[in-house]
Amino acid sequence: AQSVTQPDIHITVSEGASLELRCNYSYGATPYLFWYVQSPGQGLQLLLKYFSGDTLVQGIKGFEAEFKRSQSSFNLRKPSVHWSDAAEYFCAVGNTDKLIFGTGTRLQVFP
Amino acid sequence: NAGVMQNPRHLVRRRGQEARLRCSPMKGHSHVYWYRQLPEEGLKFMVYLQKENIIDESGMPKERFSAEFPKEGPSILRIQQVVRGDSAAYFCASSPEGQGINYGYTFGSGTRLTVV
Repeated sequence: AQSVTQPDIHITVSEGASLELRCNYSYGATPYLFWYVQSPGQGLQLLLKYFSGDTLVQGIKGFEAEFKRSQSSFNLRKPSVHWSDAAEYFCAVGNTDKLIFGTGTRLQVFP
Repeated sequence: NAGVMQNPRHLVRRRGQEARLRCSPMKGHSHVYWYRQLPEEGLKFMVYLQKENIIDESGMPKERFSAEFPKEGPSILRIQQVVRGDSAAYFCASSPEGQGINYGYTFGSGTRLTVV
């Protein structure tokens, strides 16, 4: 079955600390991989996407993600978190015209 | 260049009423996708439409839900005889012709439906 697992429901970090959000997927074919961010009451904004090539992809707002085929993972990282990064983060996979989303990780940032 | 516009932002309906959610894609985009987000869950695909065509409705509930994307005007997601379980955030995304998933989709801010 196709699925996306985000094991961490809620993560709290201090401002300036590094961040890694985990994403594991199960997908029959080679997937396209995405990370989206959702601020409260808002829609989803695309942070980055991976289709092929270099397994480390850079996104907006200083985020990056690394695709590891052997681990079926696509973890999101940021070296230094800002208070404005507090939001919900969704990992998604697909290779047709519909995406499968994880249940999200809510990030809280303390000053 | 306006993004994907959804309205209303918030919609309250009594059980048994109809809900109509509207989505205007980004300028130049001809593909529209509807997703539903239940409380504390991720987004779930509902339907993919192009102008005047439903391409994939595999995620739509079999009853009470319908979607259209007419030649002129916004895409409409219609829910008849709403029940409390329909309470959710409904998001629309769009993409240009021929790009689809390669584009990564642009999402609107959603319509939050509350059924009382």
